[in-house]
Amino acid sequence: KAGVTQTPRYLIKTRGQQVTLSCSPISGHRSVSWYQQTPGQGLQFLFEYFSETQRNKGNFPGRFSGRQFSNSRSEMNVSTLELGDSALYLCASSLAPSGIRQETQYFGPGTRLLVL
Amino acid sequence: SQQGEEDPQALSIQEGENATMNCSYKTSINNLQWYRQNSGRGLVHLILIRSNEREKHSGRLRVTLDTSKKSSSLLITASRAADTASYFCATAAYSGAGSYQLTFGKGTKLSVIP
Repeated sequence: KAGVTQTPRYLIKTRGQQVTLSCSPISGHRSVSWYQQTPGQGLQFLFEYFSETQRNKGNFPGRFSGRQFSNSRSEMNVSTLELGDSALYLCASSLAPSGIRQETQYFGPGTRLLVL
Repeated sequence: SQQGEEDPQALSIQEGENATMNCSYKTSINNLQWYRQNSGRGLVHLILIRSNEREKHSGRLRVTLDTSKKSSSLLITASRAADTASYFCATAAYSGAGSYQLTFGKGTKLSVIP
């Protein structure tokens, strides 16, 4: 079974631009969560989607948004990029959303975003 | 905000020795999970311990959970160079509306010297 895939793996953008990152979960997994990882703040939860609905959202500004498609693939978008948005963005999938069962999350390799 | 805080931040040991990492958290949790991350890559799930469990084993890994002290420890026995990685604890706590949110600590960087 293929693991979680994220595209692109690396991305360089300039301030003010917007970016869209993609995540394909493990086949059969319907829950997708997104995390931002930076050296200073560590791993921070962005949002969780299940069956195309956002179930949970972290403390990030509205510039960060996401969506999930009927095939469970998910995208996250960051508009008006700031230097501080430079980070490793990780996507994780699980069979069911958090809280239904004590689900293990399977992480993708991440997308490394550099904002210049 | 960080829920789990790992201690120490960095640990360097010789191959064959045991490595112990600790995690403390602040609020009630449903379960606690440990993950490993190799040099800026994705996280790999190691073990999950439920709030009503006290100890769990998986191969060379032993995890304990003390909910009265709000702390957990991860023990890696007979360490190998391949265990060199960052280790994160993550707590699953109720976040409202039927959902649980996974909150990660900042991690312990383990270096195993051959």
